[in-house]
Amino acid sequence: AQSVTQLDSQVPVFEEAPVELRCNYSSSVSVYLFWYVQYPNQGLQLLLKYLSGSTLVESINGFEAEFNKSQTSFHLRKPSVHISDTAEYFCAVYTNAGKSTFGDGTTLTVKP
Amino acid sequence: NAGVTQTPKFRVLKTGQSMTLLCAQDMNHEYMYWYRQDPGMGLRLIHYSVGEGTTAKGEVPDGYNVSRLKKQNFLLGLESAAPSQTSVYFCASNHGLAGSYEQYFGPGTRLTVT
Repeated sequence: AQSVTQLDSQVPVFEEAPVELRCNYSSSVSVYLFWYVQYPNQGLQLLLKYLSGSTLVESINGFEAEFNKSQTSFHLRKPSVHISDTAEYFCAVYTNAGKSTFGDGTTLTVKP
Repeated sequence: NAGVTQTPKFRVLKTGQSMTLLCAQDMNHEYMYWYRQDPGMGLRLIHYSVGEGTTAKGEVPDGYNVSRLKKQNFLLGLESAAPSQTSVYFCASNHGLAGSYEQYFGPGTRLTVT
């Protein structure tokens, strides 16, 4: 069975600092991985995804994640965060029938 | 293109009352899902549907029922609400096509049961 562990429940960081949100997964089948972002009082939005090919995937707003098969990880990084990046971030692994298993979430708080 | 919409946005119920949450999508997606989100517990799948007229149980189905009479709509019912069902409910959908694995989420319904 697939599962996801987000290693940090809260990550506070100052504006313009780098950040890494950690995600480990377990899967017995082909691995498809996602990061979703949830801004306050909104639904989740897809941030980026890994399906196949290059292990480094990027989003349009400067986030990137690297699929590491040997370490079963899919950590999310950004070299310089903005106040507007404050949100909750969810790592997810595809299971079947379009379903995904989600981690418990990491709250990123960017302070001025 | 509205995407995934949910009705209502907020609701307060008394214990034992019933209600139906409506989810609608205009993307012609095959698969639809209902989740609940509770602090520190991520998203938990309640029920899902892989096509019009089909439903299946997810991780936490007890106390909920669903129906998918039309492809674009997915209804979540609470027959006798309990305080443990206080939560934020999210609907999501997925193309159902090979190679399409991400989900599209609605804005959520905040339900309080007193």
